[in-house]
Amino acid sequence: GAGVSQTPSNKVTEKGKYVELRCDPISGHTALYWYRQSLGQGPEFLIYFQGTGAADDSGLPNDRFFAVRPEGSVSTLKIQRTERGDSAMYLCASSSGLGGQFFGPGTRLTVL
Amino acid sequence: GENVEQHPSTLSVQEGDSAVIKCTYSDSASNYFPWYKQELGKGPQLIIDIRSNVGEKKDQRIAVTLNKTAKHFSLHITETQPEDSAVYFCAASGASGTYKYIFGTGTRLKVLA
Repeated sequence: GAGVSQTPSNKVTEKGKYVELRCDPISGHTALYWYRQSLGQGPEFLIYFQGTGAADDSGLPNDRFFAVRPEGSVSTLKIQRTERGDSAMYLCASSSGLGGQFFGPGTRLTVL
Repeated sequence: GENVEQHPSTLSVQEGDSAVIKCTYSDSASNYFPWYKQELGKGPQLIIDIRSNVGEKKDQRIAVTLNKTAKHFSLHITETQPEDSAVYFCAASGASGTYKYIFGTGTRLKVLA
């Protein structure tokens, strides 16, 4: 597709459950990023992939959060034992270099 | 730590007037400054960016200025239109890597017809 796509657009889950959020970057973009955006705030960096490897995962809040990008294209953000505080918009972005990150529409996660 | 402050948090202007949003960053190593427009329920859209070796950049009705000495950068929108209404975010590249953006808290712009 022409832009970054994310699925699902909305995810409602119960506290303690496991969720997976998927990101399809722009074709050919080697860099992929995950951000989290709380209501009324700017996006906060979670993790950055260059190719298949996580070059920087310093933004992941704790070990319940994990992300993979096994073939250097699609990425999945995984959250174990979800908590109500995990509720937020999860944004994925991709870029072809060190600038110009292009964002997807996001996945709104609600933990009941 | 690295920080980006953005003002104002809300801004209302009459259609046709200009709008200015200002940001201040803390890390002198930041060298890339993008601006994003976010409409309700959508992801942020890159509208303009500037690198530290340039003082000003313009794209039709949108311009961005950068003062590296003062660590300030601003977004200027001229001849505002109702479709410019959205939340605007500034960002600065972080010291530990130009890929790690530090975002401001956003400005909700309302253009009144």
